Amino acid sequence: AQSVTQPDIHITVSEGASLELRCNYSYGATPYLFWYVQSPGQGLQLLLKYFSGDTLVQGIKGFEAEFKRSQSSFNLRKPSVHWSDAAEYFCAVALNQAGTALIFGKGTTLSVSS
Amino acid sequence: DAGITQSPRYKITETGRQVTLMCHQTWSHSYMFWYRQDLGHGLRLIYYSAAADITDKGEVPDGYVVSRSKTENFPLTLESATRSQTSVYFCASRLAGGSSYNEQFFGPGTRLTVL
Repeated sequence: AQSVTQPDIHITVSEGASLELRCNYSYGATPYLFWYVQSPGQGLQLLLKYFSGDTLVQGIKGFEAEFKRSQSSFNLRKPSVHWSDAAEYFCAVALNQAGTALIFGKGTTLSVSS
Repeated sequence: DAGITQSPRYKITETGRQVTLMCHQTWSHSYMFWYRQDLGHGLRLIYYSAAADITDKGEVPDGYVVSRSKTENFPLTLESATRSQTSVYFCASRLAGGSSYNEQFFGPGTRLTVL
């Protein structure tokens, strides 16, 4: 069955340090890939998405993600983390254009230390 | 207001009671979704709808009922609430059509507690 794995449940990063959140998916073909962010008590906001083309995708708030087909991965990165980036991050896949719904990973909680 | 709204934002109910969570979107999106979010599980799909009067089950539909008589509304009903349905519920919507439109937009969520 298709699945999304976020191996890290909780990560703590110092403010100003770089960040990488991991995401692996299990699917035979190239899925449509997304990263969402959820601030405490809020809904989900789309950070970026990958459908095809350039495997390095730029998103909002200075985030980027790289699709690596050989590793079935779509890791999220940011070169310098700000305290306001503390939130929960979800990787998700949609399996086709008709897209029933998204399959979400279980999320990674990011804490930022000063 | 434009966008996707959910009501109520918070709800406390008792086991066995019927509860309806409302979702309203102003974009005329074809697709609408209900997810529940639980610690350790991420978001799981309950039901979705491709258009008015078209609904289908997701991963965890048991104990829930949906309807969609109008494009903009997608209520979720718990016919007889159980404690295991204590959760945060998110509604989402998206356009139909090609890959560009696969992005889902989420409401702010409803926190439901079943005592």
